Amino acid sequence: AQSVSQHNHHVILSEAASLELGCNYSYGGTVNLFWYVQYPGQHLQLLLKYFSGDPLVKGIKGFEAEFIKSKFSFNLRKPSVQWSDTAEYFCAVNETNAGKSTFGDGTTLTVKP
Amino acid sequence: GAVVSQHPSWVICKSGTSVKIECRSLDFQATTMFWYRQFPKQSLMLMATSNEGSKATYEQGVEKDKFLINHASLTLSTLTVTSAHPEDSSFYICSARTGAPETQYFGPGTRLLVL
Repeated sequence: AQSVSQHNHHVILSEAASLELGCNYSYGGTVNLFWYVQYPGQHLQLLLKYFSGDPLVKGIKGFEAEFIKSKFSFNLRKPSVQWSDTAEYFCAVNETNAGKSTFGDGTTLTVKP
Repeated sequence: GAVVSQHPSWVICKSGTSVKIECRSLDFQATTMFWYRQFPKQSLMLMATSNEGSKATYEQGVEKDKFLINHASLTLSTLTVTSAHPEDSSFYICSARTGAPETQYFGPGTRLLVL
């Protein structure tokens, strides 16, 4: 069974700092990769996704993620965070055509104004 | 964009009663819907995969007689928590999957409190 590991459980940054959240997965086959965000009191929203092609994926709100197949990683980055980025971030992986996704434990990002 | 709704958003019930939660894809057809449970400060735990017109596939450790799932149409799946107990109190989230390239869209969740 595949697993997803998010190394940072809680990240605290000041506004304008750069962000990188780690995500590693354990499945060796072809995968689809996702980052979701859950703002306080709101539901999960898709930030970005990778299916194939350019391993550097750009998402909404200035976020991007890079798929490094050799490292089984899909880290999320943002060059300059804002207070409004305070949220819970989840990495998810599903095996191509398998349907269901496995989620990481999530990373809580707190951005101090 | 694709929208998924859940109803109700909040439910409080007495122990022993059954609660039905609806999940609807509002502007697309979803052959597959997923039901998750999320505990405070924790990740989403997949409970079951629901395919339209067939029986749901439950994850290991999830009681299918406890959590009844019906996917009667391409836009509606229901989760019924039968004989609810306080330990069933949680945040239940559904998602609906579109076709290729497949993406899940999540509902806003239903918070269940069993007294």
